[in-house]
Amino acid sequence: ETGVTQTPRHLVMGMTNKKSLKCEQHLGHNAMYWYKQSAKKPLELMFVYSLEERVENNSVPSRFSPECPNSSHLFLHLHTLQPEDSALYLCASSQAAKSPTDTQYFGPGTRLTVL
Amino acid sequence: AQSVAQPEDQVNVAEGNPLTVKCTYSVSGNPYLFWYVQYPNRGLQFLLKYITGDNLVKGSYGFEAEFNKSQTSFHLKKPSALVSDSALYFCAVRTGTGGFKTIFGAGTRLFVKA
Repeated sequence: ETGVTQTPRHLVMGMTNKKSLKCEQHLGHNAMYWYKQSAKKPLELMFVYSLEERVENNSVPSRFSPECPNSSHLFLHLHTLQPEDSALYLCASSQAAKSPTDTQYFGPGTRLTVL
Repeated sequence: AQSVAQPEDQVNVAEGNPLTVKCTYSVSGNPYLFWYVQYPNRGLQFLLKYITGDNLVKGSYGFEAEFNKSQTSFHLKKPSALVSDSALYFCAVRTGTGGFKTIFGAGTRLFVKA
């Protein structure tokens, strides 16, 4: 899984903390994604970036704030989270955001626990 | 609305036996179908995809899937299961009109018993 890396792998935070998740892709792709994976629920698409421009915000609460400084890096800034935000957060990348035949490649995820 | 259904939460199979993980979809327009596998504490790994052409698609680790347009299905198969195949499997669909979204199924947990 060296194609897409995520740090940290595990994060425990209180509801008043501010933290950031980091994703880096080494595949030369132009699109990056954040997904939320909760137990027994389908993957939820949160944000999509294409060439560093946010092109999809899937009704995500403002306590999640994405940042894409370049096509290789993606951040998810977290503040004043709720316990129900505890989940596995997955980053993915693909060659192009709008090409339906492109494969998405996933990182290992950050396991987030909000106390 | 586009959707993907994986009707089985769990599939149990003995090692050496054939396995099938089921997936059906509902989309408008041509579907592009994907299978991913997730091992514990790992992200999703791409197995195979159907874009066009031959309905039987071969992928990684000996897996294959058959696209059936009339039944709107894309079942994942393997002739002989291994214990190491035990994992969580996700079916996913995209279309040319679906924008940026990949629609994932809820996942099927496969247990292969030695």
